[in-house]
Amino acid sequence: GAVVSQHPSWVICKSGTSVKIECRSLDFQATTMFWYRQFPKQSLMLMATSNEGSKATYEQGVEKDKFLINHASLTLSTLTVTSAHPEDSSFYICSARSPGGGTGAYEQYFGPGTRLTVT
Amino acid sequence: RKEVEQDPGPFNVPEGATVAFNCTYSNSASQSFFWYRQDCRKEPKLLMSVYSSGNEDGRFTAQLNRASQYISLLIRDSKLSDSATYLCAVSGFQKLVFGTGTRLLVSP
Repeated sequence: GAVVSQHPSWVICKSGTSVKIECRSLDFQATTMFWYRQFPKQSLMLMATSNEGSKATYEQGVEKDKFLINHASLTLSTLTVTSAHPEDSSFYICSARSPGGGTGAYEQYFGPGTRLTVT
Repeated sequence: RKEVEQDPGPFNVPEGATVAFNCTYSNSASQSFFWYRQDCRKEPKLLMSVYSSGNEDGRFTAQLNRASQYISLLIRDSKLSDSATYLCAVSGFQKLVFGTGTRLLVSP
């Protein structure tokens, strides 16, 4: 399958600081990337859809001014958590979509995730 | 009603058992269907796509029932290494919506 990398894999920051997470598609170009958040024992919740060269589309309830997304190239999307608070502590996972087979189904491949802890 | 629903389990089965998971979805316009596997504190990994005709990959068989709006995953001859959380995912045009996952524990 396609390879997606994410950096950093874990980060601890103080309340009020900002954290940037990078997501890269390594062996394919991804016009669309997705950012998810997963709290313990819960499902992945889509935060936003990131489209190369245009503004991200945020899901309802996700503050776009707090979670800044930039998709400047076909292989890189970044998520910046601004003014982080303890309640932002979570597992953040990006994914990139690559064209599937003849069915036209698009498969998503996930990065390894970033575990954010805000103290 | 949630867009995608799964029984959270856990399903506790002995090695060698056959186990089946179901997942229902509410959006009849959904176009693509997948099963993912997620190990503890790791990212989901694509297990298989699900096609209308059903598809099989080794010990794993996936089925789609559009009329009843559910997908299923059958695991035969369970291995200890199959212990994980299995997430179904349903996609419309762009968004992939996940179920909460079903936890499987395979014991010796």
